[in-house]
Amino acid sequence: AQSVAQPEDQVNVAEGNPLTVKCTYSVSGNPYLFWYVQYPNRGLQFLLKYITGDNLVKGSYGFEAEFNKSQTSFHLKKPSALVSDSALYFCAVRDMRSGTASKLTFGTGTRLQVTL
Amino acid sequence: KAGVTQTPRYLIKTRGQQVTLSCSPISGHRSVSWYQQTPGQGLQFLFEYFSETQRNKGNFPGRFSGRQFSNSRSEMNVSTLELGDSALYLCASSANLGTQETQYFGPGTRLLVL
Repeated sequence: AQSVAQPEDQVNVAEGNPLTVKCTYSVSGNPYLFWYVQYPNRGLQFLLKYITGDNLVKGSYGFEAEFNKSQTSFHLKKPSALVSDSALYFCAVRDMRSGTASKLTFGTGTRLQVTL
Repeated sequence: KAGVTQTPRYLIKTRGQQVTLSCSPISGHRSVSWYQQTPGQGLQFLFEYFSETQRNKGNFPGRFSGRQFSNSRSEMNVSTLELGDSALYLCASSANLGTQETQYFGPGTRLLVL
């Protein structure tokens, strides 16, 4: 079975500082990994995904994520945080051996709080 | 392109009633998935439809059902509502089936069961 762990319930960072939101995964085969962000009373917005290729994936709003197969991690990063980045972030995984199934397995979410 | 739309946005029902939620995918998208989001259980997969056929189902009781129409619009139905069904129900669409596909989510329908 596939699973995702987000070890931090909340991450606090000052505006202008770099941020990292952690994610580790467990799948039987090779993973497809996704990051989504959720603002209050909104659905999930897609940020980026790793399918194959470069281990550093660039996404929307200046976010990027680093895939590390040996550590089974896919941490989300941004060089300089903005107050408007404050939101709930979800990591999600699919096992590429799932065939045509599109089901995503989500982590529990990490609340990012960026302060002035 | 318009995003995924869900109606209604908010709903209040009482125990024992049934409810139908609607989802219109992004134009051209043929796959629709449904998820339930609660503070306790997080985001859980309900089911996925493609070409009017259910392709995948999560671990939910039979009270939860869905369907997809020929225009890819989808509905989900919950019968005999329980208090624990109170949640944000999210619909997501993708262009096709497949593990590489990106799912784009709608704003959700917030259901409160009293």
